[in-house]
Amino acid sequence: NAGVTQTPKFQVLKTGQSMTLQCAQDMNHEYMSWYRQDPGMGLRLIHYSVGAGITDQGEVPNGYNVSRSTTEDFPLRLLSAAPSQTSVYFCASSKSGTRNGYTFGSGTRLTVV
Amino acid sequence: GNSVTQMEGPVTLSEEAFLTINCTYTATGYPSLFWYVQYPGEGLQLLLKATKADDKGSNKGFEATYRKETTSFHLEKGSVQVSDSAVYFCAFWNNAGNMLTFGGGTRLMVKP
Repeated sequence: NAGVTQTPKFQVLKTGQSMTLQCAQDMNHEYMSWYRQDPGMGLRLIHYSVGAGITDQGEVPNGYNVSRSTTEDFPLRLLSAAPSQTSVYFCASSKSGTRNGYTFGSGTRLTVV
Repeated sequence: GNSVTQMEGPVTLSEEAFLTINCTYTATGYPSLFWYVQYPGEGLQLLLKATKADDKGSNKGFEATYRKETTSFHLEKGSVQVSDSAVYFCAFWNNAGNMLTFGGGTRLMVKP
């Protein structure tokens, strides 16, 4: 039972580069989300999806794109990396968020230099 | 607006001490409430939850009771262990944003 799988675990980017953080879940969950975790700020929602083909913005969407072509996958794209995007990124999924909360992946630590 | 306030850390305790981490929330209605735990270098794990007023969530010796009168969901454990050292996050399901709204986290350090 893999749960939520994120790749890569670590990444260093130069300012202006683009990249995609991968997220996959094998639990047939409808809800998927991307959060970023910064010191002293808890977790903030970047984008989320309530099903395949449906995405929406969270609290801090600028500089990121998402798509949800399948139930299993929810990649996060950084269009032009900036030092302010240095953070730990978590993907999460839920069957139905209201009562079950989210299952989190192990995170991607991104450094933009 | 919707928010979660939890006590700032770090909280440092000796093994077998009693733990309380305070959490209060501001939200419309009566959202589901959660405590997550994050061990060093890992993602967040659901520790416990409560979905309606007066419910008590419990797991691994931790407990929290949904108090709608005080909009609180304080985390307690009667006797902490070194292995409980982690960061604890209080959260609620924010229906308006289809998201979990998190507090800033409280780091717990338990010394032998």
